[in-house]
Amino acid sequence: QKEVEQDPGPLSVPEGAIVSLNCTYSNSAFQYFMWYRQYSRKGPELLMYTYSSGNKEDGRFTAQVDKSSKYISLFIRDSQPSDSATYLCALMDTGRRALTFGSGTRLQVQP
Amino acid sequence: EAGVAQSPRYKIIEKRQSVAFWCNPISGHATLYWYQQILGQGPKLLIQFQNNGVVDDSQLPKDRFSAERLKGVDSTLKIQPAKLEDSAVYLCASSFAPSGGGGDEQFFGPGTRLTVL
Repeated sequence: QKEVEQDPGPLSVPEGAIVSLNCTYSNSAFQYFMWYRQYSRKGPELLMYTYSSGNKEDGRFTAQVDKSSKYISLFIRDSQPSDSATYLCALMDTGRRALTFGSGTRLQVQP
Repeated sequence: EAGVAQSPRYKIIEKRQSVAFWCNPISGHATLYWYQQILGQGPKLLIQFQNNGVVDDSQLPKDRFSAERLKGVDSTLKIQPAKLEDSAVYLCASSFAPSGGGGDEQFFGPGTRLTVL
């Protein structure tokens, strides 16, 4: 079993839709939860960062962490064609500073 | 602020040849990471440096991969000899925190795309 599971997609939605992206994990030591966005032939860039459980909102993006269920989500409101990219969840435990990534979900927002 | 620089951007070699990648992190960043991203997968950590010391190389295939970070700044990752399964994007990242800092943001370079024929 992988430490972090993420549906690879692709996920295709019309412009303006609400998008929900999710990851599940097995290691209860993970305390830091991040979402990265990766455009084609580019490196990942940090979108959202959450410590422990709870919600965090930044503009059109909302990150949720449910540690009891080992489940994290990223919501994108009013999705735009420019949001078309691969979204990677990344988790970190308190011991290591390296990230454990999900496999990424490819999102396509149709104009 | 300049980002993480990597070169070359693309490299094609034949199996059993050797190859080297170079990374220049963001100025002042103490920690440097090399990740391997195989097509359709998330990045996987190969090695992590704090200044010029190795913090974590548990997933580095040491029989063929080596990395160094001279003077705590630039880093090189080498593969010798390359195998077909080494075809991937090699990403370099850096972060500021010299110690601890679980939530320290990692900044990624554009990566080097390696194809082994």
